[in-house]
Amino acid sequence: GEDVEQSLFLSVREGDSSVINCTYTDSSSTYLYWYKQEPGAGLQLLTYIFSNMDMKQDQRLTVLLNKKDKHLSLRIADTQTGDSAIYFCAASGGSYIPTFGRGTSLIVHP
Amino acid sequence: ETGVTQSPTHLIKTRGQQVTLRCSSQSGHNTVSWYQQALGQGPQFIFQYYREEENGRGNFPPRFSGLQFPNYSSELNVNALELDDSALYLCASSLIPAWGAAKSYEQYFGPGTRLTVT
Repeated sequence: GEDVEQSLFLSVREGDSSVINCTYTDSSSTYLYWYKQEPGAGLQLLTYIFSNMDMKQDQRLTVLLNKKDKHLSLRIADTQTGDSAIYFCAASGGSYIPTFGRGTSLIVHP
Repeated sequence: ETGVTQSPTHLIKTRGQQVTLRCSSQSGHNTVSWYQQALGQGPQFIFQYYREEENGRGNFPPRFSGLQFPNYSSELNVNALELDDSALYLCASSLIPAWGAAKSYEQYFGPGTRLTVT
């Protein structure tokens, strides 16, 4: 089955860009997602990208997909303290049921 | 438009007991998926309900069961609770179009129910 890997922690200074990386194993994955989870809350869908795309930009968020290497990244421009949260990468294929990574804890320092 | 709601927010049960968790889907959505999120882990898919029937199941034993009601709300039932069942249980709703050919890839999550089994 699908396996999704992410680094567990990322620490950045406020105003800098954050880049969170993710790799997945199933080359037939069709949709790649980024979710955000704040303490004590459920998951918020931030953005997603179809496997036939290389890049998607949405305000401060940029998603890059390297399908050959099965590598997905999320760049957050001008990171703010309110961006501190856990970010989950997920991938799904024909069933549309996402497989999630363990999450990357983003810590933003003032 | 109302979002996904879940009840209760927290629950403490004893090993061997049974528990029922509830979820109301987002307005206009007809599909509900349930996930288990253990501490420090990503959500794991339990099952999905569409049109009141199970529409996919993850690697969970039969003591995890569910229901979906005509108003698209849903229940997750867990029998014979074990200590490892302690987790955050998340419900997510989505819309599968009426023609049914496409499955929805956009899911919206509720805040979760924190279950502690002692």
